[in-house]
Amino acid sequence: EIVLTQSPGTLSLSPGERATLSCRASQSVSSTYLAWYQQKPGQAPRLLIYGASSRATGIPDRFSGSGSGTDFTLTISRLEPEDFAVYYCQQYGSTQWTFGQGTKVEIK
Amino acid sequence: QVQLVQSGAEVRKPGASVKVSCKASGYTFTSYYVHWVRQAPGQGLEWMAIINPSGGSTNYAQKFQGRVTMTSDTSTSTVYMELSSLRSEDTAVYYCARGLAAGDYWGQGTLVTVSS
Repeated sequence: EIVLTQSPGTLSLSPGERATLSCRASQSVSSTYLAWYQQKPGQAPRLLIYGASSRATGIPDRFSGSGSGTDFTLTISRLEPEDFAVYYCQQYGSTQWTFGQGTKVEIK
Repeated sequence: QVQLVQSGAEVRKPGASVKVSCKASGYTFTSYYVHWVRQAPGQGLEWMAIINPSGGSTNYAQKFQGRVTMTSDTSTSTVYMELSSLRSEDTAVYYCARGLAAGDYWGQGTLVTVSS
């Protein structure tokens, strides 16, 4: 089973700053099958990025995804107040999902 | 518009079973896989199971093998997840999500509380 490790656990930043979130896989993951989600308290996860770098419908272009193999990155170019949340990476393989443990982006 | 609407909160005693529903609308039900994901209080996301509503084939996380059953009813466009032999550690919000490689639409979540 592929294990996804996200870092850092918590990112303390101010609105307008750039956020860089990392997701490292224990073995190579097809870029086609790597996704990122945003989750706010009391809400269901929201798909941000699929296929490692494709934005989901309605997602602002300040969100971007990159990476390949075992190292993937979610970048938020300029944090807006509504972007402070928990972010999860997720991979698909063998007809199942695996999630990272999450990165919390909090207001500094 | 695409919607996944889940059944309401449930309270069960240890050892009991719970069955949560997820009713789909706004798309062709048999064209998309559906997953179940749970989230214990203050914890991360944990994948449980997947079903192909076209044919009913399933795959379960090894952790839940023997305790979880996922079914679908094409006549009502509804997917069900039943979890048996409940224990306190199963207290969580359970979500259904549409898609195969990624979940583009999610249900609102169903809180299942296991308590004596």
